[in-house]
Amino acid sequence: DAGVIQSPRHEVTEMGQEVTLRCKPISGHDYLFWYRQTMMRGLELLIYFNNNVPIDDSGMPEDRFSAKMPNASFSTLKIQPSEPRDSAVYFCASSRQGGYTFGSGTRLTVV
Amino acid sequence: AQSVTQPDIHITVSEGASLELRCNYSYGATPYLFWYVQSPGQGLQLLLKYFSGDTLVQGIKGFEAEFKRSQSSFNLRKPSVHWSDAAEYFCAATGGATNKLIFGTGTLLAVQP
Repeated sequence: DAGVIQSPRHEVTEMGQEVTLRCKPISGHDYLFWYRQTMMRGLELLIYFNNNVPIDDSGMPEDRFSAKMPNASFSTLKIQPSEPRDSAVYFCASSRQGGYTFGSGTRLTVV
Repeated sequence: AQSVTQPDIHITVSEGASLELRCNYSYGATPYLFWYVQSPGQGLQLLLKYFSGDTLVQGIKGFEAEFKRSQSSFNLRKPSVHWSDAAEYFCAATGGATNKLIFGTGTLLAVQP
């Protein structure tokens, strides 16, 4: 099993551009989570899905952020337009029966 | 509201010394509890988890944690710290009707030679 796969590993973009982060969960996991990690705010849960359906998006900071899970093997987190304060590491995690596995993260820098 | 608290932001220990990292939780019922470790620039690695049963849980890399219901705590321990243990440690919990995994703010561990 390759684990949770996130792409890209690093992303540098200019303010105002659209950014799309990708995640492939572990096969058979029925939950998928998006987290954001910053020095100031630590690890924040942005949104999570159960069986591809968004369950709780209360952590999504603004309407500029959106997430989709079109099928059990793929999810995206989109920021449009991006701002410098969105710079952070974004982690995807998948879960089944209480076991959580995290991807290696995407380090986003918005200049 | 459900929460996880790690009171110590930064801890420094000498190599070979014992370690205890504190974690407290606030949940309506006993949550599932986890400890993760993160090295600089890396992802999160699971050290151990507690769901039920024996309150002393053994994990990887020689770590253990003890669940104490009366104190709402799940402290992480290691009898002898190695320089390679320097990292940030996160306590996390999930429970109730959701699968939301909530993290504490982390404890940064430095190891002196």
